[in-house]
Amino acid sequence: SQTIHQWPATLVQPVGSPLSLECTVEGTSNPNLYWYRQAAGRGLQLLFYSVGIGQISSEVPQNLSASRPQDRQFILSSKKLLLSDSGFYLCAWSEQGNYGYTFGSGTRLTVV
Amino acid sequence: KQEVTQIPAALSVPEGENLVLNCSFTDSAIYNLQWFRQDPGKGLTSLLLIQSSQREQTSGRLNASLDKSSGRSTLYIAASQPGDSATYLCAVSGGKLIFGQGTELSVKP
Repeated sequence: SQTIHQWPATLVQPVGSPLSLECTVEGTSNPNLYWYRQAAGRGLQLLFYSVGIGQISSEVPQNLSASRPQDRQFILSSKKLLLSDSGFYLCAWSEQGNYGYTFGSGTRLTVV
Repeated sequence: KQEVTQIPAALSVPEGENLVLNCSFTDSAIYNLQWFRQDPGKGLTSLLLIQSSQREQTSGRLNASLDKSSGRSTLYIAASQPGDSATYLCAVSGGKLIFGQGTELSVKP
């Protein structure tokens, strides 16, 4: 069966520090991968999605970036965090085609 | 641009009640609609997935319907329990998954 792993679960980082969040999927190949952010009191916002290795589409201009170095690995990064980057970050995957999405357990990021 | 609206934003009911959560979307050109549950501080758990060609899906005490032409979906929860307390999110996929703001459900013992 397919599983999705996301880490770390919580992270407290100072303003201006770098960020790296990792997400991996097991039990499938060539998945679509997604990064969402859920800010306090707000809905889920799609940040990046990827349909294959090295293929990244950005939905929202910001100081975050994403990379997909391997088929089932998706990384969210920042060179310098802002206070506004605080939030709950969720990774998700779906199969190619019209199938449902499966989400990871999320990373709670607090920028101080 | 697809917009998804969920009503009500919050709902509090006594245990045992049957309840309905509503979701509406503006663009009927969707591939599917998915209902999720989110517990505080946790990730999203998929409850039901309805393909665009389907009218409803059932899982246990949950039943979700889809009326694509009117841009509506409902999630029916039968015989609610305190363990059902969570935020319920509706999301539509037309290439990208677009979420509503959610309904925060509280079931009182």
